[in-house]
Amino acid sequence: AQSVTQLGSHVSVSEGALVLLRCNYSSSVPPYLFWYVQYPNQGLQLLLKYTSAATLVKGINGFEAEFKKSETSFHLTKPSAHMSDAAEYFCAVSPTGTASKLTFGTGTRLQVTL
Amino acid sequence: NAGVTQTPKFQVLKTGQSMTLQCAQDMNHEYMSWYRQDPGMGLRLIHYSVGAGITDQGEVPNGYNVSRSTTEDFPLRLLSAAPSQTSVYFCASSYSRRSGRVGGELFFGEGSRLTVL
Repeated sequence: AQSVTQLGSHVSVSEGALVLLRCNYSSSVPPYLFWYVQYPNQGLQLLLKYTSAATLVKGINGFEAEFKKSETSFHLTKPSAHMSDAAEYFCAVSPTGTASKLTFGTGTRLQVTL
Repeated sequence: NAGVTQTPKFQVLKTGQSMTLQCAQDMNHEYMSWYRQDPGMGLRLIHYSVGAGITDQGEVPNGYNVSRSTTEDFPLRLLSAAPSQTSVYFCASSYSRRSGRVGGELFFGEGSRLTVL
């Protein structure tokens, strides 16, 4: 069985500062990894995904994530936070790339302050 | 494109009442699913379907029924609502693996907030 751990349920950064949201996973087979973003009162939307190609994955809105097999991590970063980045972020893993096997983390709420 | 459409957006029920949450998608996705979102618990899969006429249980199926008579629609039924079913419900769709595209990329509706008194 696979699992996802997101360290920190709340993260606060200043506008312009580095954003780092942590995600560690466990999977018995090579995983497919995803980051989703949820803005207030909206559904989730895909930010980026890792599917065993390049280990550094670029997503929308300037976000990127690096797959590190040795650390079983897939941390999400953005060099400079913007007020519009305030949202909840979910890491997810699927061992086979199958939607029905997708496991979500518990989410990290990002606050961006002036 | 409408994408995934859920109705209603808000609903208040009394314990024991029944209701159906509607979900429709216009992307010709074979895979459809229902999740519930509760604070601190992320998203949990209730039921899913890989095509018309095929449904299966997810992680938390008790108290919910689904059917899939068409590719477009995937309603979720609560037969006898309980306060523990107070939650935000999301419908999501995706490609099938037969399409050759990687699954896990889910397309979500905007959610249905349900309160059971």
